[in-house]
Amino acid sequence: KQEVTQIPAALSVPEGENLVLNCSFTDSAIYNLQWFRQDPGKGLTSLLLIQSSQREQTSGRLNASLDKSSGRSTLYIAASQPGDSATYLCAAAQGAAGNKLTFGGGTRVLVKP
Amino acid sequence: EPEVTQTPSHQVTQMGQEVILRCVPISNHLYFYWYRQILGQKVEFLVSFYNNEISEKSEIFDDQFSVERPDGSNFTLKIRSTKLEDSAMYFCASSEQGINEQYFGPGTRLTVT
Repeated sequence: KQEVTQIPAALSVPEGENLVLNCSFTDSAIYNLQWFRQDPGKGLTSLLLIQSSQREQTSGRLNASLDKSSGRSTLYIAASQPGDSATYLCAAAQGAAGNKLTFGGGTRVLVKP
Repeated sequence: EPEVTQTPSHQVTQMGQEVILRCVPISNHLYFYWYRQILGQKVEFLVSFYNNEISEKSEIFDDQFSVERPDGSNFTLKIRSTKLEDSAMYFCASSEQGINEQYFGPGTRLTVT
C-alpha cells in the first residue's frame, strides 16, 4: 500500500528565501506525482505534475524534481513571497487507470515579510 | 479559466439521513473523482469514474456511497445513511485523461450531527 510522507509538517522562512519542500513515497510504481497548494478552508490548486518518465518540471518560480528509484520528489519555490504562505501537498498517482492519488500530509509554509 | 464547481459549499445533516453532493467537472474532461479530507487528516481517494462507470474505488467507498453522472454536466456523490464519521470536506476533481493533471473543486463541507 502506498504511503506518502511530507517532512517537515511546518516551515517558516523570511521573505526572499528559497523554499525546499520534500515528499517521499514507498512504492516507486507511480504514473506521476502532482503538487498542490491548499489555502485554509479552500480546495486544492494544482501547481505541477511530473510524469514518471520525467526528472524535472518547471513553472515560473516553481521547480519539481522526481527520483522514482529513491521514492522522492522535491518542490523548490524560488524567492518566496508572503503570498506563498499555504499548505503544500504532494500526491502520487497509481491504480488501474493511473489516476488514484495518494496524498501526503502536507507541509504548512509561512513566509514572513 | 475553466474550473470545477461544487454545491453546496456547506451541508449540515442529521445522522441517518441521505445527502447528495453535486459537482460540475470541467466540460471536456472525461475522468471524474471524489476525495475526502477529514479535519486534520490527509486527503483520501474515494472513487474514480469514467465512461459512466466506476473505474476504481477505495475501501472507504462502501455500499453507503454511490456516484452518478445524471446528465452531461453534473457528477454526484450520494451517501445513503450518513454517520458521524462521514463529517469531512468532500472534493470533486476531474481530468482530461486518466493520467493527466487532476483539477479540484472548492469542496463541500459535510457536517453530520
